Amino acid sequence: AAGVIQSPRHLIKEKRETATLKCYPIPRHDTVYWYQQGPGQDPQFLISFYEKMQSDKGSIPDRFSAQQFSDYHSELNMSSLELGDSALYFCASSSTSQETQYFGPGTRLLVL
Amino acid sequence: QQQVKQSPQSLIVQKGGISIINCAYENTAFDYFPWYQQFPGKGPALLIAIRPDVSEKKEGRFTISFNKSAKQFSLHIMDSQPGDSATYFCAASIDNQGGKLIFGQGTELSVKP
Repeated sequence: AAGVIQSPRHLIKEKRETATLKCYPIPRHDTVYWYQQGPGQDPQFLISFYEKMQSDKGSIPDRFSAQQFSDYHSELNMSSLELGDSALYFCASSSTSQETQYFGPGTRLLVL
Repeated sequence: QQQVKQSPQSLIVQKGGISIINCAYENTAFDYFPWYQQFPGKGPALLIAIRPDVSEKKEGRFTISFNKSAKQFSLHIMDSQPGDSATYFCAASIDNQGGKLIFGQGTELSVKP
């Protein structure tokens, strides 16, 4: 069965640089969630989209923005990167007909 | 403020034993309670989930017990195996508020052979 695809899997950036993380949901899933997981921490909700519209917003810095495109893939744009942005970033997708969120393998971002 | 509190932080169990992880929540609006299993460097994977109108749900070796009045729920892993060694997260969400998951702090389970 198809799973959530995230790219890149690993990313190394310098402080103040920008990064773009991509998420391809499971086919026919219309909702995408982004989570940030620091080392040894639980995943923290950042933002979600339903049918290409932002549906909820969590503790996402103003330096971050995201969108969902017509093909339902989503991108998380991160600017002015800080050392504290180093974390695992997970995308999850779900269908409105079920509550289960399926997580991707994550993107490991390291800011130097 | 941690909306979902999970304990213990770490747990060591012998092979064949029962692993028990507990979670408590404050927000009575939560209406969906999943448990996720996460291996190092991987994304969380859904194990089992429950809604507040059910007091217990069992799937194979995994059972969720839910106590609505106490606002607590727990995961029981029967006949624990070394392959169960992972980090387990409880979570909660509210369906009509977008469904974002609020996670507990996680429990690192180690099953000794």
